[in-house]
Amino acid sequence: AQSVSQHNHHVILSEAASLELGCNYSYGGTVNLFWYVQYPGQHLQLLLKYFSGDPLVKGIKGFEAEFIKSKFSFNLRKPSVQWSDTAEYFCAVMNTGGFKTIFGAGTRLFVKA
Amino acid sequence: NAGVMQNPRHLVRRRGQEARLRCSPMKGHSHVYWYRQLPEEGLKFMVYLQKENIIDESGMPKERFSAEFPKEGPSILRIQQVVRGDSAAYFCASSGEKSYTFGSGTRLTVV
Repeated sequence: AQSVSQHNHHVILSEAASLELGCNYSYGGTVNLFWYVQYPGQHLQLLLKYFSGDPLVKGIKGFEAEFIKSKFSFNLRKPSVQWSDTAEYFCAVMNTGGFKTIFGAGTRLFVKA
Repeated sequence: NAGVMQNPRHLVRRRGQEARLRCSPMKGHSHVYWYRQLPEEGLKFMVYLQKENIIDESGMPKERFSAEFPKEGPSILRIQQVVRGDSAAYFCASSGEKSYTFGSGTRLTVV
């Protein structure tokens, strides 16, 4: 069955700490990959996406993610988090050329000032 | 708890017809969000509703699109006089105090 797994449901970090959120997927075909962020009280926003090419993708607000095909992973990273990064982060996988999208359960990040 | 239920999964409409997409939130969730996903793009926010209230519709096209979340029953996204450009996947998400959950989406194809 197709699935997206986000390893950590809750992460607590201090400001300036480095962040890595795991995302693994199970899907038999070629995929497009996304990370979304939802700040408290707001709707989802796109952080970054991977369609093809360089597997290291840079997004907004200093975030990046690396697609490792052999590991079916698309982990999100940020070298130094800020208090304003407190939010929930969702990984999503979409089959290439189609509409089917599967979302992970989300990871809630809390950054202590 | 069956999660967020969207129906139909696939909907085909001719140009000029109306499309109605339904979203039943998770039990206990009173907030519903609608997103549109165009081919090869990410989700784009359309509207955020609570029961009987539209909280934020900043992502909704000004014409032909409307949404409601009545006191009883599912949230409805309504598209009048559909055009080919409305073909997309429409996702609904619901949220409560501790979770934010997506439905499986409705794929709308306008022919």
